[in-house]
Amino acid sequence: QSVLTQPPSASGTPGQRVTISCSGSSSNIGSHYVYWYHQLPGTAPKLLIYKNNQRPSGVPDRFSGSKSGTSASLAISGLRSEDEANYYCLVWDDSLSGRVFGGGTKLTVL
Amino acid sequence: EVQLVESGGGLVQPGGSLRLSCAASGFTFSSVYMRWVRQAPGKGLEWVGRIKSKADGETIDYAVPVKARFTISRDDSKNTLYLQMNDLKTEDTAMYYCTTSLWSGEILKVDQWGQGTLVTVSS
Repeated sequence: QSVLTQPPSASGTPGQRVTISCSGSSSNIGSHYVYWYHQLPGTAPKLLIYKNNQRPSGVPDRFSGSKSGTSASLAISGLRSEDEANYYCLVWDDSLSGRVFGGGTKLTVL
Repeated sequence: EVQLVESGGGLVQPGGSLRLSCAASGFTFSSVYMRWVRQAPGKGLEWVGRIKSKADGETIDYAVPVKARFTISRDDSKNTLYLQMNDLKTEDTAMYYCTTSLWSGEILKVDQWGQGTLVTVSS
């Protein structure tokens, strides 16, 4: 059971906008940067968002991140079939003195 | 080209030990923080630990489930990261990834992961 709570699943149709939430506390999201990864089965994770809302070079602007208080969100607009993957948030936690991943959200493109 | 290549995985009995290696190339290894992340079969990602650069004291942080059993180290002369795993438990069965981030000031330039090495703990 992670200290970061993500919905286990999310879905949308092509072209839609979907959001994935990551809920934490003052010891993690409330005081540290949030990172977002996605992972296709059998492959290494790929970074989508760093420092709450920054996109690495090469990540489409369809992906955006935000943070408010002790919660963060990843938004994907113009949903595509290739966005079907597992999505994870990652934050440092002061209580654990380490980084922690959310439990992951499986995104299905209908 | 930035590259991380893990090795050392395999089958080990409960209570046994294993040492993983991660060979780095294409960047200044000694300047960066290095991390281990694992993923049990069919499960989510789990942060294992991190070692800072020598310039930042080579401080090491571990996830609670592995603290006191796992040891992270680095050999900057060999551009290699290690994960010594002792007293292995069946729940340590996972793909183990080494990973790092390369920064230019406040801009993240590269977030690199290896291909992973599989550790199976079973009798």
